Amino acid sequence: NAGVTQTPKFQVLKTGQSMTLQCAQDMNHEYMSWYRQDPGMGLRLIHYSVGAGITDQGEVPNGYNVSRSTTEDFPLRLLSAAPSQTSVYFCASRFLSGQGSYEQYFGPGTRLTVT
Amino acid sequence: KNQVEQSPQSLIILEGKNCTLQCNYTVSPFSNLRWYKQDTGRGPVSLTIMTFSENTKSNGRYTATLDADTKQSSLHITASQLSDSASYICVVSGDTGGFKTIFGAGTRLFVKA
Repeated sequence: NAGVTQTPKFQVLKTGQSMTLQCAQDMNHEYMSWYRQDPGMGLRLIHYSVGAGITDQGEVPNGYNVSRSTTEDFPLRLLSAAPSQTSVYFCASRFLSGQGSYEQYFGPGTRLTVT
Repeated sequence: KNQVEQSPQSLIILEGKNCTLQCNYTVSPFSNLRWYKQDTGRGPVSLTIMTFSENTKSNGRYTATLDADTKQSSLHITASQLSDSASYICVVSGDTGGFKTIFGAGTRLFVKA
């Protein structure tokens, strides 16, 4: 059971380039999400998915696309990278627990620099 | 505006000492409050979860308290260890499913030998 995995660990892009950040989980969780973490700020939600074939926007979706073709995978695509997208990106998955709450698990993160 | 504010921003303590981190929130409605530990270069890991009816929750040397009336929470670390050096993030959800969740910016704790 690997939990939530992300690749790559580090990436440097030039402005205007595109790329895909990979995320996978082996816990059969329906809910997955992408966050970005910037210095001095809390994690902010980019996109989320409540199941295969269903995605929705979070707080800061501009410049990012997602898809969810399987329960396991939830890739994040940067369409045309901008310096403002320099950040650390975390993928997470979660399930509803029996106590009327949820348990959430985060991946190790991808540190992206856009020059 | 729904907000989660943590203090201090950073803290340095000696190994073996205790410390308390603070979290004030204005999230409404309120469903649950979590504390996460985030080691450098890693993703956050859950320490405690408290709902409206709970005012304290422990996880080993970590004890979280919640005052839902004043909308304040604290995380107390007892007998600190070098491995406690990390960021501690307070997270408040307005619903049980976590669709209305606000993350604090975190407190960076340094434990020195």
